[in-house]
Amino acid sequence: DAGVIQSPRHEVTEMGQEVTLRCKPISGHNSLFWYRQTMMRGLELLIYFNNNVPIDDSGMPEDRFSAKMPNASFSTLKIQPSEPRDSAVYFCASSRVDGNTIYFGEGSWLTVV
Amino acid sequence: AQSVAQPEDQVNVAEGNPLTVKCTYSVSGNPYLFWYVQYPNRGLQFLLKYITGDNLVKGSYGFEAEFNKSQTSFHLKKPSALVSDSALYFCAVRASMDTGRRALTFGSGTRLQVQP
Repeated sequence: DAGVIQSPRHEVTEMGQEVTLRCKPISGHNSLFWYRQTMMRGLELLIYFNNNVPIDDSGMPEDRFSAKMPNASFSTLKIQPSEPRDSAVYFCASSRVDGNTIYFGEGSWLTVV
Repeated sequence: AQSVAQPEDQVNVAEGNPLTVKCTYSVSGNPYLFWYVQYPNRGLQFLLKYITGDNLVKGSYGFEAEFNKSQTSFHLKKPSALVSDSALYFCAVRASMDTGRRALTFGSGTRLQVQP
């Protein structure tokens, strides 16, 4: 079975540019999570959705970050404009709404120069 | 608020020796507890979980963990370490009663180094 699929795997962009990260959750999973991993702050929850509806976006750093889930099989995390401090690994994860285990994608490694 | 503490940044163990990676948690009510492993440049892989029932849970790759409610701990163990076990290990928690908040809170991670 396909796992959580993220794209791009690696992105290098210049400060001020827009960055869009994409995620396809595991088929049949109704909960989707965006996490960010940095050396300084570890793994932080940015936002999560249940049945395409944002439930908790308290972890989104600031207005430059936005996330959407237009349907059950696709989500995006957008950063506009990007800044060097946004450099991190961004993980998408999914789970069944009635399940307990969260499954992670391979991550999108973002470098903003 | 829920939290996880992994008191050791790194654990070193010789191959063939038993290993323990420590985790303590804080949560309202009963916890759901998880261990994940992250290999270099990879995502997090689920290892095992405690939801209810037997305090000793077994997971992938020969790992197990013991839930201790009185000590609010969920230490990860393996009887005999392999060099290939070297990786970053994360403990995570969420409150079982909080069905509205399904996201996990992760610890800071413990790097396990197994020497040949």
